[in-house]
Amino acid sequence: AQSVTQLGSHVSVSEGALVLLRCNYSSSVPPYLFWYVQYPNQGLQLLLKYTSAATLVKGINGFEAEFKKSETSFHLTKPSAHMSDAAEYFCAVSDQAGTALIFGKGTTLSVSS
Amino acid sequence: EAQVTQNPRYLITVTGKKLTVTCSQNMNHEYMSWYRQDPGLGLRQIYYSMNVEVTDKGDVPEGYKVSRKEKRNFPLILESPSPNQTSLYFCASSSGRQMNTEAFFGQGTRLTVV
Repeated sequence: AQSVTQLGSHVSVSEGALVLLRCNYSSSVPPYLFWYVQYPNQGLQLLLKYTSAATLVKGINGFEAEFKKSETSFHLTKPSAHMSDAAEYFCAVSDQAGTALIFGKGTTLSVSS
Repeated sequence: EAQVTQNPRYLITVTGKKLTVTCSQNMNHEYMSWYRQDPGLGLRQIYYSMNVEVTDKGDVPEGYKVSRKEKRNFPLILESPSPNQTSLYFCASSSGRQMNTEAFFGQGTRLTVV
């Protein structure tokens, strides 16, 4: 069965610093992986998705993620954090049947000035 | 504007009083689902629907019912709510299976059962 582990429930960075949010997955088949962002009092919004076309995936708002099969990882990065990036981030994998997204527990990103 | 609309956004109710949370999408999506979000647990799927009149259980279906009589609507029904159903609920829709399609989420319904 597919599963997702997000390392670190809370990450704090300074404005302008590198953002690194970690995600490891478990899947018996080639995975379809996603990062979603949730701003306060909002629904989830897709940041980016990996569907096997390219291992480095670029998303919205300057975020990108690299799929590493050997490490079963799909970490999310952004070179320079903005205050507006403060939110909760979820890594997710599609289940084998494609009927559900299996989410990690989420990582809250705080950005200080 | 493409969107998923949930109502109400906030609801406080008492144990045992039946309630319905509505969900509507305007993107002609076939696939819709309900998730609940709890602190430290992420989101977990309650029910999903692949098309009109086709629904199935997700990971945590106990205590919930759904129906899909129209393509655009997918209400979540709690026949006899209990305090352990206090949670943040999200409706989502997509054009197809969750392989490479984007899921669009509503803004959430925060439910408190006392």
